[in-house]
Amino acid sequence: DIQMTQSPSSLSASVGDRVAITCRASQVIRTSLAWYQQKPGKAPKLLVYGVSKLQTGVPSRFSGSASGTDYTLSISSLQPEDFATYFCQQYYSARTFGQGTKVEIK
Amino acid sequence: QVQLQESGPGLVKPSETLSLICNVSGGSVNSFYWHWIRQPPGQGLEWLAYIHYSGVTKSNASLKGRISISIDTSKNQFSLKLSSVTTADTAVYYCAREAIAYDYWGPGTLVIVSS
Repeated sequence: DIQMTQSPSSLSASVGDRVAITCRASQVIRTSLAWYQQKPGKAPKLLVYGVSKLQTGVPSRFSGSASGTDYTLSISSLQPEDFATYFCQQYYSARTFGQGTKVEIK
Repeated sequence: QVQLQESGPGLVKPSETLSLICNVSGGSVNSFYWHWIRQPPGQGLEWLAYIHYSGVTKSNASLKGRISISIDTSKNQFSLKLSSVTTADTAVYYCAREAIAYDYWGPGTLVIVSS
């Protein structure tokens, strides 16, 4: 099974900060990587698929990138509505999620 | 606009079978892959299984054969059954559509396993 190791598990940041969240895949998953945002009591929302493709309607301050089996979600300028939990997910083989990163207000 | 809605009992007794249905509206289950995902309270997301209208299915090996998934194209819905449940199966259960990734989700339904 493919494991996704996500870090950090939580971070504190201020409005306007640039933040980055990373997932490392335990084996090759090519471009089969997505990122989701989840707010309390709500279903996750798709932000990025195919490593770097923004889902329709997602602000351009979100971006995705990859280096080998390391995948990164970046938020260029954190907005109040971005405080949430973020998950990565691979869909190369079966499906696996990272453990999540909670982005909190500093 | 595609919408998904989970339904089923909110309380299941240990050792019994958890049964959920996902109703799909605004789109047909005769395309894409349809998934079940769960989230224990305060924890992360766990993929459970998927089904394609052609009948192709795949499930999480960690569930050790306890899971079955089916689809009813005439009702535009798909279903999940999880047998021999324990308190560890207490979670919010989501159904979702996979185009490339999960682009549509149901709101989730909390299932508590308790006697």
